[in-house]
Amino acid sequence: GAGVSQSPRYKVAKRGQDVALRCDPISGHVSLFWYQQALGQGPEFLTYFQNEAQLDKSGLPSDRFFAERPEGSVSTLKIQRTQQEDSAVYLCASSLHPGPGANVLTFGAGSRLTVL
Amino acid sequence: RKEVEQDPGPFNVPEGATVAFNCTYSNSASQSFFWYRQDCRKEPKLLMSVYSSGNEDGRFTAQLNRASQYISLLIRDSKLSDSATYLCAVLPYNQGGKLIFGQGTELSVKP
Repeated sequence: GAGVSQSPRYKVAKRGQDVALRCDPISGHVSLFWYQQALGQGPEFLTYFQNEAQLDKSGLPSDRFFAERPEGSVSTLKIQRTQQEDSAVYLCASSLHPGPGANVLTFGAGSRLTVL
Repeated sequence: RKEVEQDPGPFNVPEGATVAFNCTYSNSASQSFFWYRQDCRKEPKLLMSVYSSGNEDGRFTAQLNRASQYISLLIRDSKLSDSATYLCAVLPYNQGGKLIFGQGTELSVKP
C-alpha cells in the first residue's frame, strides 16, 4: 500500500481482556518496528522484525506482549490480560532497508488502546 | 538517565520568532540522527536527517555536535503551522536499525 496501515485505530478493552493490533507495512519494506507512545512521551521501542524474523524484542514490557510477522509482511502485536498501564498509542513503522544508513522510518497512524 | 533527552516544553513563541531545540544522547556509538515532527494525535513524520556538517532545509537548520553528544534544531521565522511536537531520534550503532526517541518538545506558535 501507499503507507503503513494500522487497525483498529481505537480500541477500548476491559482490564484482563486480550487485544490484537494489526500493522500492514509499506509493500516491500523489509524492516518493521513496533513502538509504544504514552501521553506526553516519545515513542518507546518495543520490537523489531527483519522480514519474518524477530531480531529484537528487548522493549516488550512483559511476557503479556507478543508480536509476530509470520510471512514477512503483516504484523500483529498481541497483548494478553491487558492492564491499565497498557493504555497508550501503539505505533508501527516500516523501512525499506534493514540496518543503519538508509533507515528512514515511515509510521502508521497508530492504534490507540484504552484499558478500563 | 534516558538514552535520549530533550528540552522540556512547551515552547510558546510569537510568529516570526526564531526557536531552537536541543537534544542530548548518551550512547557515543550512535551513528545517525533525525528530527521528527508529530502533530497532535498524529504519527511522527520525518522532518530532516542530521548530518555531521550540519544541514539546512528552508527555515530549518539541524546541527550535530558529536564531541558533546547533542543535536539541535533551529527554526527561523516561525509560522503558526510549525506548532507541533518535535522529536529527536538517534540510531545506535549495530542495533538493527531501531531508532531511540526523545520525549519530544512541544512548540506552540502564536499570532
